[in-house]
Amino acid sequence: DTGVSQNPRHKITKRGQNVTFRCDPISEHNRLYWYRQTLGQGPEFLTYFQNEAQLEKSRLLSDRFSAERPKGSFSTLEIQRTEQGDSAMYLCASSPRDRGANYGYTFGSGTRLTVV
Amino acid sequence: AQTVTQSQPEMSVQEAETVTLSCTYDTSENNYYLFWYKQPPSRQMILVIRQEAYKQQNATENRFSVNFQKAAKSFSLKISDSQLGDTAMYFCASTTTSGTYKYIFGTGTRLKVLA
Repeated sequence: DTGVSQNPRHKITKRGQNVTFRCDPISEHNRLYWYRQTLGQGPEFLTYFQNEAQLEKSRLLSDRFSAERPKGSFSTLEIQRTEQGDSAMYLCASSPRDRGANYGYTFGSGTRLTVV
Repeated sequence: AQTVTQSQPEMSVQEAETVTLSCTYDTSENNYYLFWYKQPPSRQMILVIRQEAYKQQNATENRFSVNFQKAAKSFSLKISDSQLGDTAMYFCASTTTSGTYKYIFGTGTRLKVLA
């Protein structure tokens, strides 16, 4: 297992376009998280999946954002009608059910989005 | 609501010296966990050390140790024998023991180890 994989690593898009990011967690991890990290800030929680169920969404996740985790495996995060304020690093993390997230997440390398 | 505050945006330390990074937090929970994560330049975030709030003993992982002061809601990270590879952003984070286990992160401290 190569850890949490995120694609693409970098994405440059024009304002108003839609973008989709993918996260492949560690295979036996049933918990999956998305965070957003802007320059000079710590990561901020966006949403959480337990298996295929999206159990919590932050108020940061506006109607333009949607996340899915079909079949409880990989997850996608889509941003519609991108705005310059969406420019950030989008981090995915996963953790196993039996140990819980209190033992720490495994993070991916992130997708850096630049909206021009 | 939980909050985490890191008041040192940047720090530097000479190689082989010891440095302490500060973190304070606020929570209404009785039980919670605290973490320090390291984010090297252009690389993924990795867990450095974790502390369970109900344990009085300070956590230690090799050259990394914490000073957990529960009453003061303080959770500092000490790095001994600093190495060039310790150069990174360091984030303090907290989480509750139930629900989604989402983390609340501080704004980070950029640590540079000087040769």
